[in-house]
Amino acid sequence: DTGVSQDPRHKITKRGQNVTFRCDPISEHNRLYWYRQTLGQGPEFLTYFQNEAQLEKSRLLSDRFSAERPKGSFSTLEIQRTEQGDSAMYLCASSLHASIGETQYFGPGTRLLVL
Amino acid sequence: RKEVEQDPGPFNVPEGATVAFNCTYSNSASQSFFWYRQDCRKEPKLLMSVYSSGNEDGRFTAQLNRASQYISLLIRDSKLSDSATYLCVADSNYQLIWGAGTKLIIKP
Repeated sequence: DTGVSQDPRHKITKRGQNVTFRCDPISEHNRLYWYRQTLGQGPEFLTYFQNEAQLEKSRLLSDRFSAERPKGSFSTLEIQRTEQGDSAMYLCASSLHASIGETQYFGPGTRLLVL
Repeated sequence: RKEVEQDPGPFNVPEGATVAFNCTYSNSASQSFFWYRQDCRKEPKLLMSVYSSGNEDGRFTAQLNRASQYISLLIRDSKLSDSATYLCVADSNYQLIWGAGTKLIIKP
């Protein structure tokens, strides 16, 4: 399977704990995006990388959230001191940025439940 | 006002019917537009890109109206398997902005 993969698929944690999610993009894709999606809403942009550089962060991304893409391949999203409001689906997408109109391909998501 | 707006639905449509829904975008500088399909508890999957000349893929037709700043999706001869949420996407300031989706339910 050469698509975008995410791990874990599901995570249940207690409020205050830290969690880390991993995303492996399609291998030749240079851009990687993180989104959050809650029920009945479209994906909300969190941040994105071009290769290893983090180029944009949403104001939604509080200081409890940090993302890395150390070698320009896989990425991790860490949430520290989780809150119940962090419960959502966290989606990763990748794309090949060549010109306008690039298409993003999504992984299956990590569903987070904070108790 | 949201940057990308869609009617949340649900649209309840009998199998075999034609259904159309629109999506409006606020950034007149947007250049790229997409329709994604999302099944319940699954990730979004690209349905089609929307080109300025309009494009068709089988039973699906997408149109762009720049003057009125909306894109449309038409589904002909709807199938039960078309039941899903359809997400509209437009680029804005080098990001993709997503609508909240339109829920479509095809009934036998």
